[in-house]
This record gives sequence, C-alpha cells and structure tokens, in this order.
Amino acid sequence: AQSVTQLDSQVPVFEEAPVELRCNYSSSVSVYLFWYVQYPNQGLQLLLKYLSGSTLVKGINGFEAEFNKSQTSFHLRKPSVHISDTAEYFCAVTRQTGANNLFFGTGTRLTVIP
Amino acid sequence: DAGITQSPRHKVTETGTPVTLRCHQTENHRYMYWYRQDPGHGLRLIHYSYGVKDTDKGEVSDGYSVSRSKTEDFLLTLESATSSQTSVYFCAISESTGGDNQPQHFGDGTRLSIL
Repeated sequence: AQSVTQLDSQVPVFEEAPVELRCNYSSSVSVYLFWYVQYPNQGLQLLLKYLSGSTLVKGINGFEAEFNKSQTSFHLRKPSVHISDTAEYFCAVTRQTGANNLFFGTGTRLTVIP
Repeated sequence: DAGITQSPRHKVTETGTPVTLRCHQTENHRYMYWYRQDPGHGLRLIHYSYGVKDTDKGEVSDGYSVSRSKTEDFLLTLESATSSQTSVYFCAISESTGGDNQPQHFGDGTRLSIL
C-alpha cells in the first residue's frame, strides 16, 4: 500500500515570507501525487498534482511543488504567503495502475501571521 | 462545491442508533467516495462506488455500509453507531480513477457526533 508522511503538523509563517510544507511518500509502485487545501468548515480543494513529466508543478494561488523520486518527496512551496493562505494542507498519493484510491497525509496547518 | 450536496451537515445521535448520510451530485460522475476525517489521521477512505450498485471497501470500512441506487446518490449507513464513529464525513466524486481525474471535488462535509 501507499502512505504519506507530513512531518509538520503546524507551520506558522509571517505574511509575505516564503513557506515550504513537507511531504514524503512510500510506495513500491509508481504513483501520482497531489496537494489539497482545506479552508475552515469546507471540503478539500485540489491545489496541484503530479502525474508525469516535469518534476516542478505549478498550481493555483501561486503554489508549486517539486517531485523528487530519489527522496520520495513532494514538498509544497510558495514564495510569498498571504493571510488568505491560512488553511490546512494535505498531501495525497495514489498508485498509477490497479486499485488507485487516494491515501492522505495527516495534514499541515499553515497559519499566516500578519 | 461543484454540484455536491451532503446532508445533513450536522447530526448528533446516540450510541446504538442507525444513521444514514447522503451525498447527492449533479455532475453525473461515475465514481463517488466516502471519507472520514479525524485529527491526526487526515482523510481515510471508507467506501467507494464505481457505478450504480457497484461498491467496494476502503481502508476503514468496518461498521459502515453504502448503497448507490442512482448515479447521483451515494448513501453511507452506520447500522449501529458507536462513539468511535464520531467524525467529519466527506463525500467526493470523480469522472474516473485515472490520475488526472482523482477526486477533485469534495462536498462540504457532515459533522457527526455520537454520544
């Protein structure tokens, strides 16, 4: 099976500062990777996804992530955060073939400080 | 959110009672999913459906059953609710299971408390 580890449960950062949210995955087969964002009292919204090709993927709201196969990582970055980025962020993985249910990490709560 | 309605949005009930949560979609997507979200666990898949009357178990299916009699509706039933099933439940939909179509649309969730 696949699994995801988000090492940081909470990340506080000042407004306009850069941020990196870390995600490591484990899988014996090829995978697809995703980042979702959840605002308070809402469902999850897809930020970006890595399917194949360029290892640097860009998503909505100025976020980007880099797939690193050798380090089995898919870290999320933003060069300058805004107050509105305060939310919970989830990394998820699914295998490319066969049963491909999503497996989520435990989430990282990003708090942007004015 | 993308034509997904979960009902009820909030429910409080007692241990041992049956509970049914409903997910309704207007997107005509083939795949529907039920997840639960708990602190420290992220989202975990309970059951999913790949068509009318076609369902399969996820990683935390014990104590839950599902039914899908119409494309647009996916019901999650707790036959005899327990306090460990207190959680926030999310429905999600997708056109297919390909990487490009993984659940990209989630409902707003149902907060279920079992006392």
